[in-house]
Amino acid sequence: NAGVTQTPKFRVLKTGQSMTLLCAQDMNHEYMYWYRQDPGMGLRLIHYSVGEGTTAKGEVPDGYNVSRLKKQNFLLGLESAAPSQTSVYFCASSSPPGHIQETQYFGPGTRLLVL
Amino acid sequence: DAKTTQPPSMDCAEGRAANLPCNHSTISGNEYVYWYRQIHSQGPQYIIHGLKNNETNEMASLIITEDRKSSTLILPHATLRDTAVYYCIAYSSASKIIFGSGTRLSIRP
Repeated sequence: NAGVTQTPKFRVLKTGQSMTLLCAQDMNHEYMYWYRQDPGMGLRLIHYSVGEGTTAKGEVPDGYNVSRLKKQNFLLGLESAAPSQTSVYFCASSSPPGHIQETQYFGPGTRLLVL
Repeated sequence: DAKTTQPPSMDCAEGRAANLPCNHSTISGNEYVYWYRQIHSQGPQYIIHGLKNNETNEMASLIITEDRKSSTLILPHATLRDTAVYYCIAYSSASKIIFGSGTRLSIRP
């Protein structure tokens, strides 16, 4: 199993440009998440999904959109990138709450620099 | 979800047990205590979790106080590869998880 994979690994954008980050998992998990991590900080939840076709806002959703068209994929979009969105983005997946092991499995991260 | 408090940094000699404390005094009855770690800039890695009872797995042990207001993660024989930021989180739903700043653990050779 590859676990959770993210593409791209690194990207540089100019202010105002758009891009989509792709997250894929092969563990048949229902839940998927997008986090951002700024230097020296913990992870903050941007959006999450509890199943195919559903999404919900997390702690810091502004400036981002997401889609979960397939169970194994979770896309994070930046419509008009801003320097404040420079960060490392982590995707994660998990089983639903109440499952024997509702732990999150994380991808390797995408480093985004917005100039 | 419960807020957790951890020391910002700790160090431990290689080969010794590393004991990382976490305070979660506002934890509710259905919230689990989870520990994750983040090595360098990699994605966080699950270590262990528990509700009431002490837990042990191949990586670590988790000791939860009887009143559940605090817990300790124990790495029994710390190695240099255990150098990481350790996050203690208390939650009942992963959609409300809050990572905080964690404890930066340094292992001395």
